[in-house]
Amino acid sequence: DAKTTQPNSMESNEEEPVHLPCNHSTISGTDYIHWYRQLPSQGPEYVIHGLTSNVNNRMASLAIAEDRKSSTLILHRATLRDAAVYYCILRAYSGGSNYKLTFGKGTLLTVNP
Amino acid sequence: KAGVTQTPRYLIKTRGQQVTLSCSPISGHRSVSWYQQTPGQGLQFLFEYFSETQRNKGNFPGRFSGRQFSNSRSEMNVSTLELGDSALYLCASSPEAQENYNEQFFGPGTRLTVL
Repeated sequence: DAKTTQPNSMESNEEEPVHLPCNHSTISGTDYIHWYRQLPSQGPEYVIHGLTSNVNNRMASLAIAEDRKSSTLILHRATLRDAAVYYCILRAYSGGSNYKLTFGKGTLLTVNP
Repeated sequence: KAGVTQTPRYLIKTRGQQVTLSCSPISGHRSVSWYQQTPGQGLQFLFEYFSETQRNKGNFPGRFSGRQFSNSRSEMNVSTLELGDSALYLCASSPEAQENYNEQFFGPGTRLTVL
């Protein structure tokens, strides 16, 4: 089964870029990579997703390694509101509506003012 | 548009009891998924319902069940509660089934404590 590995915690300074890594060395060719974040006392919030190519949206960028065994979530300018637990999730499809979700343990991001 | 709502927000039960949690998805969303979050295991997928049918389920015992109504509201039931069932139960909705739509919208969760 696919597995994701993330650092337990990372620290950043406000207005600096943050690179959050995720290793998924056993990823399969059709597995999507999703990132969510969870602020204190809230449910997770969607950040970004990708399959093979790098992706950008208003919240972040997702850089996917060429062999897809790792990915990096990039916050271009961290703010205090970005302090949260960031989850790297693999979605693996096995046909029809059958899929399997594999969650990382999450990275606690601390942003210093 | 109102977000995903979950009731109750907090619940205390004793071992052996059963519990029902409720989730109202965002208006127009037809898929509802349930997750369990614990400090030890992190986030784990329970099941997804779409158009009143269970589409997919995670690796949980049969004590965990759910259903979805015609208005897309969903309930999750846990029977014969165990201490290990203490967790934050999260509900997430999306307009389409998960295999066709990548973004899920999560509710604030129901904190279940089993004594």
